[in-house]
Amino acid sequence: GQSLEQPSEVTAVEGAIVQINCTYQTSGFYGLSWYQQHDGGAPTFLSYNALDGLEETGRFSSFLSRSDSYGYLLLQELQMKDSASYFCAVRRNRDDKIIFGKGTRLHILP
Amino acid sequence: NAGVTQTPKFRVLKTGQSMTLLCAQDMNHEYMYWYRQDPGMGLRLIHYSVGEGTTAKGEVPDGYNVSRLKKQNFLLGLESAAPSQTSVYFCASMAGGSQETQYFGPGTRLLVL
Repeated sequence: GQSLEQPSEVTAVEGAIVQINCTYQTSGFYGLSWYQQHDGGAPTFLSYNALDGLEETGRFSSFLSRSDSYGYLLLQELQMKDSASYFCAVRRNRDDKIIFGKGTRLHILP
Repeated sequence: NAGVTQTPKFRVLKTGQSMTLLCAQDMNHEYMYWYRQDPGMGLRLIHYSVGEGTTAKGEVPDGYNVSRLKKQNFLLGLESAAPSQTSVYFCASMAGGSQETQYFGPGTRLLVL
């Protein structure tokens, strides 16, 4: 089947760096996306990797390795407002179906 | 620009009742998606559309129907609501092509008793 696996929870300290991994079992997709969702809110787009390598957007970076079926989201200089759930997602290129991982809850300690 | 809007924001239904959730976007996006979100389950795709007049099944389509008669609107229908359909429903739109950013609506919280 097609699935994306993420850790259910991650805890880090304010000001530190945290990496959220996403491994997937799917073939034929356009790229790997990342979304952030605060409690009670809607998901918002963070980052997208169409090609292998690192994409950087401010404090957030995302990485993709298609050969390893693996990607990650890197959050630097953590702030309390980064406490949220983070989801990886792919869009299949044969039918445009979008599959999400179950999400990683990020807890940040002061 | 309102982006993506959803109507209603909250609804309580009795088992067996029907309802329609409306999603509207003003960004001229081709692609629209309906998801449900349950605790610990992430976002699961119900139905989606890659253009006006088209619809396709997602991961969990049973018990739901959709229509995309106009490009800006994507309707999700529940013909006979069941308690298992208690969830938060999100609609999203995406330009398509090389654009992968999905824009989500604020969500509809549905409780089926």
